[in-house]
Amino acid sequence: DAGITQSPRHKVTETGTPVTLRCHQTENHRYMYWYRQDPGHGLRLIHYSYGVKDTDKGEVSDGYSVSRSKTEDFLLTLESATSSQTSVYFCAISEGQGALFGTQYFGPGTRLTVL
Amino acid sequence: EDQVTQSPEALRLQEGESSSLNCSYTVSGLRGLFWYRQDPGKGPEFLFTLYSAGEEKEKERLKATLTKKESFLHITAPKPEDSATYLCAVPGGGNKLTFGTGTQLKVEL
Repeated sequence: DAGITQSPRHKVTETGTPVTLRCHQTENHRYMYWYRQDPGHGLRLIHYSYGVKDTDKGEVSDGYSVSRSKTEDFLLTLESATSSQTSVYFCAISEGQGALFGTQYFGPGTRLTVL
Repeated sequence: EDQVTQSPEALRLQEGESSSLNCSYTVSGLRGLFWYRQDPGKGPEFLFTLYSAGEEKEKERLKATLTKKESFLHITAPKPEDSATYLCAVPGGGNKLTFGTGTQLKVEL
């Protein structure tokens, strides 16, 4: 298994509260990603990072922010959680991207419920 | 717009009954095609990467093939432990992977 952990693994929160999810890797990979997975939509990219302090938006970034202060940690923050953000969140890592796309390895996921 | 379509959505097989899953894609400039397996409550587990038409890769009872428009995941003599959701994905613009919605495979004794 790729050395990726996510915390917490399960969280229930209320609408309007801030939530931070953490992804930690031990592989020293440059790229880290946050996805959400919802029935009927597949996995969708929220944000990704290509280095410390270097981040960019994915296709469903509204309502989310990220930070990466160390190579091994990538944080996803919901500033004010809404019920539409109830989902399963996955972190992924990859060594790098070039002419050929590098393989992404996924963490175990965080199930978030916003009431 | 990059698109990935997987079929069928669900497949039920008897143990030993071989079959194929399909992943068709539209993307400008293929930079790879990825197959993952996902068990309930877990993250996707990497299976294969294919980079060019005609390429094939095998792992135990699974074989992935790639053409210019689609990929197949062939499952030979499946066992109940092969039951899972199989996902395919292609890189799109920038560093984005576009995923299909998966094929849910159930192998029964």
